[in-house]
Amino acid sequence: AQSVSQHNHHVILSEAASLELGCNYSYGGTVNLFWYVQYPGQHLQLLLKYFSGDPLVKGIKGFEAEFIKSKFSFNLRKPSVQWSDTAEYFCASHSSGNTPLVFGKGTRLSVIA
Amino acid sequence: GAGVSQSPRYKVAKRGQDVALRCDPISGHVSLFWYQQALGQGPEFLTYFQNEAQLDKSGLPSDRFFAERPEGSVSTLKIQRTQQEDSAVYLCASSYRDSYNSPLHFGNGTRLTVT
Repeated sequence: AQSVSQHNHHVILSEAASLELGCNYSYGGTVNLFWYVQYPGQHLQLLLKYFSGDPLVKGIKGFEAEFIKSKFSFNLRKPSVQWSDTAEYFCASHSSGNTPLVFGKGTRLSVIA
Repeated sequence: GAGVSQSPRYKVAKRGQDVALRCDPISGHVSLFWYQQALGQGPEFLTYFQNEAQLDKSGLPSDRFFAERPEGSVSTLKIQRTQQEDSAVYLCASSYRDSYNSPLHFGNGTRLTVT
């Protein structure tokens, strides 16, 4: 069965620091990858997605993620975080075809002034 | 508002009671998903509808869980004889495409607490 691992449970950063959140997936075949974000009190929303093509994906609010097939990874990055980036971040994947989206356990990001 | 709407936002049930959770997807969205999110965990898939057809219920944890979408729009997740381990946030998501392979629009969820 597919699984998604997020390495960090809680990350605390100062404003303007760089961010990298780890994500590894288990499926060895063709895979679609997503990052979702949940701001405090709000619903989960899509940050970015990778289906095929350029492995460096740009998302909203200055986030990007890089698909590295050899490492089964899809890490999320942002060069300079803001206080408003405080949220929970979920990596998710599903194999091409009729399988549901599988989520990681999430990483809570706290950005302090 | 054009988002996915879930009600109630919070539900407290005594162990053994039946509960019904409602999801109003975005108008016109073909696919509807239910997920369960326990405390400190990521969402876990429960079931998937394409219009009124329930195409996948592989994630339902027991036969106490039942979902329906009779007219292909609003969906209800019913849990019979609730147990403490059912305490979680239940998330509904919809998408405009008729497959698993499309970005999901999530509702705010229903937080169920079983006492």
